[in-house]
Amino acid sequence: RKEVEQDPGPFNVPEGATVAFNCTYSNSASQSFFWYRQDCRKEPKLLMSVYSSGNEDGRFTAQLNRASQYISLLIRDSKLSDSATYLCVVNMWDDKIIFGKGTRLHILP
Amino acid sequence: DTEVTQTPKHLVMGMTNKKSLKCEQHMGHRAMYWYKQKAKKPPELMFVYSYEKLSINESVPSRFSPECPNSSLLNLHLHALQPEDSALYLCASGDRVANYGYTFGSGTRLTVV
Repeated sequence: RKEVEQDPGPFNVPEGATVAFNCTYSNSASQSFFWYRQDCRKEPKLLMSVYSSGNEDGRFTAQLNRASQYISLLIRDSKLSDSATYLCVVNMWDDKIIFGKGTRLHILP
Repeated sequence: DTEVTQTPKHLVMGMTNKKSLKCEQHMGHRAMYWYKQKAKKPPELMFVYSYEKLSINESVPSRFSPECPNSSLLNLHLHALQPEDSALYLCASGDRVANYGYTFGSGTRLTVV
């Protein structure tokens, strides 16, 4: 089983729709979890940290399920500017930070 | 200062050249990272420095040599690279077991000819 797994997509979603991504991780001792966004030929940028209690930032909601070892990202009322690759990032232990393969999202006008 | 600065932004080097990539952060982060990213792939971890000591080397070939002169600086020395080493090299910093995420530099786009 890969350390961090994501559906690569692409997800082609009409503007205004809601879209959800999941990510699973293999190490139950993993300590912190993040969603990053990466635009073409740019560096990854932190979108949000993910907590067991769930957290929301505007149109974005992230959730961590430790029992099932997955994290999710929900984007509501999607905008054209949300088109990007969304990377699930897991701090496996101490200093080891691992990226999922990323999920490509295309918002269609 | 909430940025990670990488230089140069672009680098073209021959297979016999020696060059260095530089990374600097002034956020007081204790962990600094080198990642390699090929097109349409996720970043792959290469090295981690924690408290200025090398804590992780992901079996990277010795033609890549990291160095951490102090808590704000991270270098990657390159020697005798191959064309397949052409990629975007990303530096990141963060606190250990950070809940606040990791900050990435804009990367150095390296082409080996």
